[in-house]
Amino acid sequence: DVKVTQSSRYLVKRTGEKVFLECVQDMDHENMFWYRQDPGLGLRLIYFSYDVKMKEKGDIPEGYSVSREKKERFSLILESASTNQTSMYLCASSFWEVDEQFFGPGTRLTVL
Amino acid sequence: KQEVTQIPAALSVPEGENLVLNCSFTDSAIYNLQWFRQDPGKGLTSLLLIQSSQREQTSGRLNASLDKSSGRSTLYIAASQPGDSATYLCAVVMNYGGSQGNLIFGKGTKLSVKP
Repeated sequence: DVKVTQSSRYLVKRTGEKVFLECVQDMDHENMFWYRQDPGLGLRLIYFSYDVKMKEKGDIPEGYSVSREKKERFSLILESASTNQTSMYLCASSFWEVDEQFFGPGTRLTVL
Repeated sequence: KQEVTQIPAALSVPEGENLVLNCSFTDSAIYNLQWFRQDPGKGLTSLLLIQSSQREQTSGRLNASLDKSSGRSTLYIAASQPGDSATYLCAVVMNYGGSQGNLIFGKGTKLSVKP
């Protein structure tokens, strides 16, 4: 079974802090994705990566950056957290770009 | 721009009933369509993936159909159980564009199965 893990289930940070969300997959997948999920807005793509050190912006990249130094790990970085980044963050991976995506358990981030 | 719609937003049924969840999309140039289940506060569990060339996929009590030309997919759940209570999401991957692989999601149908 594919396993996608995320470093924290719940996280509370203060405005202005730098925040790192980590995602690890164990199936040698080429592609990894970061989404955020908000009530009434659904899931939206922030960034994705199709190879080590490669990244592409999704629909809502503003205020975020990403890092993929190793194939199995994809990090989402909030350079200076703001209250409007309070959300559920979901990581996913797939073997190739249009393949089935497998999701992690999510990180509920609250920015105070 | 692709839009994915799921109606109804919420559905409550008695245990044992067969039910259908609906998903519609505005642009038929999809690569595939995926159905997910999400339990409260949790991540997404992939249920079924239908390629654009397929008409349906089955897994246990679940059957998903796809009519690409009319922009519709349905998820059929047979003999519903209280454990099926969750939010069901459909998502499509487009067959063009720089963001290939980007899942475009509907807002989901929240299903409640009453004992």
